Amino acid sequence: NAGVMQNPRHLVRRRGQEARLRCSPMKGHSHVYWYRQLPEEGLKFMVYLQKENIIDESGMPKERFSAEFPKEGPSILRIQQVVRGDSAAYFCASSLSPHGRGGEKLFFGSGTQLSVL
Amino acid sequence: GENVEQHPSTLSVQEGDSAVIKCTYSDSASNYFPWYKQELGKGPQLIIDIRSNVGEKKDQRIAVTLNKTAKHFSLHITETQPEDSAVYFCAAIGYSGAGSYQLTFGKGTKLSVIP
Repeated sequence: NAGVMQNPRHLVRRRGQEARLRCSPMKGHSHVYWYRQLPEEGLKFMVYLQKENIIDESGMPKERFSAEFPKEGPSILRIQQVVRGDSAAYFCASSLSPHGRGGEKLFFGSGTQLSVL
Repeated sequence: GENVEQHPSTLSVQEGDSAVIKCTYSDSASNYFPWYKQELGKGPQLIIDIRSNVGEKKDQRIAVTLNKTAKHFSLHITETQPEDSAVYFCAAIGYSGAGSYQLTFGKGTKLSVIP
Protein backbone atom coordinates (compact mmCIF):
# COMPACT_ATOMS: atom_id res chain seq x y z
CA ASN A 1 0.00 0.00 0.00
CA ALA A 2 2.20 2.79 -1.32
CA GLY A 3 1.97 6.15 0.33
CA VAL A 4 2.18 9.54 -1.35
CA MET A 5 4.97 9.43 -3.90
CA GLN A 6 6.93 12.50 -4.91
CA ASN A 7 9.71 12.87 -7.42
CA PRO A 8 12.33 13.92 -7.82
CA ARG A 9 13.63 14.00 -4.22
CA HIS A 10 16.17 16.66 -5.13
CA LEU A 11 16.04 19.10 -8.02
CA VAL A 12 18.71 21.62 -8.94
CA ARG A 13 17.89 24.42 -11.35
CA ARG A 14 19.64 27.55 -12.51
CA ARG A 15 17.88 30.88 -12.32
CA GLY A 16 15.44 31.27 -15.20
CA GLN A 17 14.88 27.55 -15.76
CA GLU A 18 11.66 25.65 -15.15
CA ALA A 19 11.02 23.23 -12.30
CA ARG A 20 8.44 20.45 -12.51
CA LEU A 21 7.56 18.57 -9.35
CA ARG A 22 5.43 15.42 -9.44
CA CYS A 23 3.11 13.87 -6.92
CA SER A 24 1.11 10.65 -6.99
CA PRO A 25 -1.46 10.50 -4.17
CA MET A 26 -2.18 7.49 -2.04
CA LYS A 27 -4.27 4.84 -3.74
CA GLY A 28 -7.92 5.80 -3.60
CA HIS A 29 -7.23 9.45 -2.75
CA SER A 30 -8.47 12.07 -5.17
CA HIS A 31 -7.64 15.21 -3.16
CA VAL A 32 -4.15 16.65 -3.48
CA TYR A 33 -2.52 19.54 -1.62
CA TRP A 34 0.82 21.25 -2.20
CA TYR A 35 2.76 22.89 0.62
CA ARG A 36 6.05 24.80 0.72
CA GLN A 37 8.49 24.63 3.63
CA LEU A 38 11.28 27.10 4.14
CA PRO A 39 14.12 26.40 6.62
CA GLU A 40 13.03 26.83 10.25
CA GLU A 41 9.46 27.44 9.10
CA GLY A 42 6.25 25.48 9.13
CA LEU A 43 4.43 24.28 6.07
CA LYS A 44 2.59 26.89 4.02
CA PHE A 45 -0.46 25.88 2.00
CA MET A 46 -0.17 26.61 -1.71
CA VAL A 47 -2.91 24.87 -3.66
CA TYR A 48 -5.64 22.24 -3.37
CA LEU A 49 -6.71 20.17 -6.37
CA GLN A 50 -9.13 17.43 -7.22
CA LYS A 51 -8.94 15.44 -10.43
CA GLU A 52 -8.91 17.92 -13.34
CA ASN A 53 -9.87 20.82 -11.08
CA ILE A 54 -8.07 23.48 -9.08
CA ILE A 55 -10.27 24.06 -6.05
CA ASP A 56 -8.26 26.58 -4.06
CA GLU A 57 -5.01 28.26 -5.12
CA SER A 58 -5.11 31.04 -2.56
CA GLY A 59 -1.62 30.20 -1.26
CA MET A 60 0.05 30.13 -4.63
CA PRO A 61 2.11 33.08 -5.91
CA LYS A 62 0.23 34.78 -8.72
CA GLU A 63 3.06 34.57 -11.20
CA ARG A 64 5.33 31.75 -12.38
CA PHE A 65 3.60 29.04 -10.32
CA SER A 66 0.94 26.68 -11.62
CA ALA A 67 -0.48 23.31 -10.68
CA GLU A 68 -2.50 20.60 -12.34
CA PHE A 69 -3.96 17.23 -11.51
CA PRO A 70 -4.94 15.56 -14.78
CA LYS A 71 -7.42 12.75 -15.20
CA GLU A 72 -4.53 10.37 -15.76
CA GLY A 73 -1.13 10.67 -14.13
CA PRO A 74 0.37 12.55 -11.23
CA SER A 75 -0.25 16.05 -10.00
CA ILE A 76 2.34 18.53 -11.24
CA LEU A 77 3.58 21.69 -9.56
CA ARG A 78 5.31 23.86 -12.14
CA ILE A 79 7.54 26.81 -11.41
CA GLN A 80 8.63 28.85 -14.39
CA GLN A 81 11.70 31.10 -14.51
CA VAL A 82 12.86 30.04 -11.06
CA VAL A 83 14.59 32.50 -8.76
CA ARG A 84 16.77 31.85 -5.72
CA GLY A 85 13.85 32.63 -3.41
CA ASP A 86 12.02 29.57 -4.77
CA SER A 87 14.57 27.31 -3.08
CA ALA A 88 12.58 25.29 -0.54
CA ALA A 89 11.15 21.89 0.22
CA TYR A 90 7.87 21.26 -1.56
CA PHE A 91 5.54 18.70 -0.05
CA CYS A 92 2.50 17.08 -1.52
CA ALA A 93 -0.26 15.56 0.58
CA SER A 94 -3.41 13.65 -0.22
CA SER A 95 -6.67 12.84 1.52
CA LEU A 96 -9.55 10.48 0.99
CA SER A 97 -12.17 13.19 1.41
CA PRO A 98 -11.97 16.96 1.21
CA HIS A 99 -11.32 19.07 4.26
CA GLY A 100 -14.56 20.34 5.61
CA ARG A 101 -14.91 22.36 8.77
CA GLY A 102 -14.24 19.09 10.59
CA GLY A 103 -10.90 18.50 8.90
CA GLU A 104 -9.57 15.40 7.22
CA LYS A 105 -6.42 13.32 7.71
CA LEU A 106 -3.65 14.42 5.37
CA PHE A 107 -0.87 12.07 4.36
CA PHE A 108 2.36 13.65 3.14
CA GLY A 109 5.00 12.55 0.70
CA SER A 110 8.73 12.80 1.35
CA GLY A 111 9.00 16.08 -0.51
CA THR A 112 11.12 17.58 -3.27
CA GLN A 113 14.03 19.77 -2.24
CA LEU A 114 14.41 22.46 -4.88
CA SER A 115 17.70 24.30 -5.03
CA VAL A 116 18.08 27.27 -7.37
CA LEU A 117 21.64 28.25 -8.24
CA GLY B 1 -7.55 33.53 8.35
CA GLU B 2 -6.23 31.13 10.94
CA ASN B 3 -3.02 31.89 12.84
CA VAL B 4 -1.19 29.19 14.81
CA GLU B 5 1.57 29.90 17.32
CA GLN B 6 3.76 27.08 18.63
CA HIS B 7 6.12 26.96 21.63
CA PRO B 8 8.86 26.21 22.37
CA SER B 9 10.86 26.24 19.15
CA THR B 10 13.43 23.86 20.65
CA LEU B 11 13.13 21.40 23.50
CA SER B 12 15.71 19.09 25.05
CA VAL B 13 14.73 16.39 27.52
CA GLN B 14 16.45 13.47 29.15
CA GLU B 15 15.42 10.04 27.98
CA GLY B 16 12.49 8.86 30.05
CA ASP B 17 11.26 12.34 30.90
CA SER B 18 8.10 13.91 29.50
CA ALA B 19 7.89 16.53 26.77
CA VAL B 20 5.13 19.08 26.30
CA ILE B 21 4.59 21.28 23.23
CA LYS B 22 1.94 23.99 23.21
CA CYS B 23 0.01 25.71 20.44
CA THR B 24 -2.53 28.49 20.28
CA TYR B 25 -4.89 29.30 17.44
CA SER B 26 -6.92 32.34 16.49
CA ASP B 27 -10.07 31.11 14.75
CA SER B 28 -12.66 30.11 17.36
CA ALA B 29 -14.51 28.14 14.65
CA SER B 30 -11.58 25.73 14.19
CA ASN B 31 -12.42 22.23 15.32
CA TYR B 32 -9.71 19.93 13.96
CA PHE B 33 -6.16 19.89 15.35
CA PRO B 34 -3.59 17.38 14.07
CA TRP B 35 0.02 16.91 15.14
CA TYR B 36 2.76 15.85 12.75
CA LYS B 37 6.25 14.48 13.34
CA GLN B 38 8.95 15.22 10.79
CA GLU B 39 12.25 13.39 10.82
CA LEU B 40 15.27 14.72 8.99
CA GLY B 41 14.89 14.40 5.24
CA LYS B 42 11.37 13.01 5.45
CA GLY B 43 7.85 14.26 5.05
CA PRO B 44 5.55 15.07 7.99
CA GLN B 45 3.86 12.06 9.51
CA LEU B 46 0.50 12.34 11.25
CA ILE B 47 0.88 11.06 14.82
CA ILE B 48 -2.35 12.11 16.50
CA ASP B 49 -5.30 14.41 15.92
CA ILE B 50 -8.19 15.73 17.96
CA ARG B 51 -11.55 17.24 17.17
CA SER B 52 -13.29 19.81 19.30
CA ASN B 53 -15.94 17.47 20.63
CA VAL B 54 -13.33 15.94 22.97
CA GLY B 55 -10.92 17.53 25.40
CA GLU B 56 -8.24 14.85 25.42
CA LYS B 57 -7.07 11.95 23.29
CA LYS B 58 -4.38 9.41 24.07
CA ASP B 59 -2.45 6.91 22.01
CA GLN B 60 0.15 4.95 23.99
CA ARG B 61 2.85 7.45 25.04
CA ILE B 62 1.31 10.35 23.15
CA ALA B 63 -1.61 12.48 24.28
CA VAL B 64 -3.19 15.69 23.07
CA THR B 65 -5.32 18.07 25.13
CA LEU B 66 -7.59 20.81 23.82
CA ASN B 67 -8.97 23.88 25.58
CA LYS B 68 -11.44 25.50 23.21
CA THR B 69 -12.24 28.37 25.55
CA ALA B 70 -8.62 29.42 25.72
CA LYS B 71 -7.96 28.36 22.12
CA HIS B 72 -4.93 26.28 22.87
CA PHE B 73 -3.92 22.66 22.52
CA SER B 74 -0.91 20.68 23.64
CA LEU B 75 1.04 17.55 22.76
CA HIS B 76 2.34 15.40 25.62
CA ILE B 77 4.94 12.69 25.11
CA THR B 78 5.69 10.52 28.13
CA GLU B 79 8.68 8.24 28.72
CA THR B 80 10.56 9.84 25.85
CA GLN B 81 12.96 7.74 23.79
CA PRO B 82 15.80 8.79 21.45
CA GLU B 83 13.64 7.88 18.44
CA ASP B 84 11.19 10.59 19.52
CA SER B 85 13.80 13.16 18.45
CA ALA B 86 12.32 15.06 15.51
CA VAL B 87 10.52 18.28 14.61
CA TYR B 88 6.88 18.36 15.69
CA PHE B 89 4.25 20.55 14.04
CA CYS B 90 0.80 21.43 15.27
CA ALA B 91 -1.94 22.57 12.90
CA ALA B 92 -5.49 23.85 12.94
CA ILE B 93 -8.20 23.75 10.28
CA GLY B 94 -9.54 27.06 9.07
CA TYR B 95 -11.35 28.65 6.16
CA SER B 96 -8.90 29.71 3.48
CA GLY B 97 -11.08 32.56 2.27
CA ALA B 98 -11.13 31.06 -1.21
CA GLY B 99 -13.73 28.34 -1.01
CA SER B 100 -12.12 25.59 1.03
CA TYR B 101 -10.84 24.67 4.46
CA GLN B 102 -7.13 24.17 4.88
CA LEU B 103 -4.61 23.42 7.60
CA THR B 104 -2.49 26.21 9.05
CA PHE B 105 0.72 24.94 10.65
CA GLY B 106 2.81 26.19 13.53
CA LYS B 107 6.50 26.80 12.94
CA GLY B 108 7.56 23.60 14.63
CA THR B 109 9.35 22.38 17.74
CA LYS B 110 12.68 20.59 17.46
CA LEU B 111 12.66 17.93 20.16
CA SER B 112 15.95 16.37 21.21
CA VAL B 113 15.88 13.39 23.56
CA ILE B 114 19.23 12.94 25.28
CA PRO B 115 20.14 9.32 26.05
